[in-house]
Amino acid sequence: AQRVTQPEKLLSVFKGAPVELKCNYSYSGSPELFWYVQYSRQRLQLLLRHISRESIKGFTADLNKGETSFHLKKPFAQEEDSAMYYCALMAGGFKTIFGAGTRLFVKA
Amino acid sequence: DVKVTQSSRYLVKRTGEKVFLECVQDMDHENMFWYRQDPGLGLRLIYFSYDVKMKEKGDIPEGYSVSREKKERFSLILESASTNQTSMYLCASSLIRSSYNSPLHFGNGTRLTVT
Repeated sequence: AQRVTQPEKLLSVFKGAPVELKCNYSYSGSPELFWYVQYSRQRLQLLLRHISRESIKGFTADLNKGETSFHLKKPFAQEEDSAMYYCALMAGGFKTIFGAGTRLFVKA
Repeated sequence: DVKVTQSSRYLVKRTGEKVFLECVQDMDHENMFWYRQDPGLGLRLIYFSYDVKMKEKGDIPEGYSVSREKKERFSLILESASTNQTSMYLCASSLIRSSYNSPLHFGNGTRLTVT
């Protein structure tokens, strides 16, 4: 079965602290993984994708096929990072499955 | 920049009413999707379409239908609205089928309340 698991509903960190949002997936094929972010009163938007191996707004995510994980990391959290983050798996070509989401709250 | 526009930001409907949610995208994307977003459940796929007049059931299609008569427009229909369909509905589009780097582009969402 195709599944995306984000074990934390809420993650609260202090400004300047490292942050890691966990994501595990279940998929028998070759996964295409994404992180989407939704800031307050804004539409859901792409943050980064594993195939690009890029860093966006200081965030990175590495696909670990052995652990079936795609955790999102940032070394120094900023207040403007406070948002809802969704991990997503593109399965079967273009159908995208989302995790339940993690709300990140960065405290001053 | 891709723009996905949902016709209503907020809707309030009565139980049993027929409800239409409209979505238009302006970038000639082949794929269009309807999700509902609920706290603690994330986004769940209702229906999707990869071409005009084509539709596929997602994970939770019960109580919903869709229509795609034109490439740019994808409508979600609640034949007889029920209170458990109160939710945020998100429309999305993406370019090209079975392609890497085809992320979803979302609309602003329609918050539907069924009373």
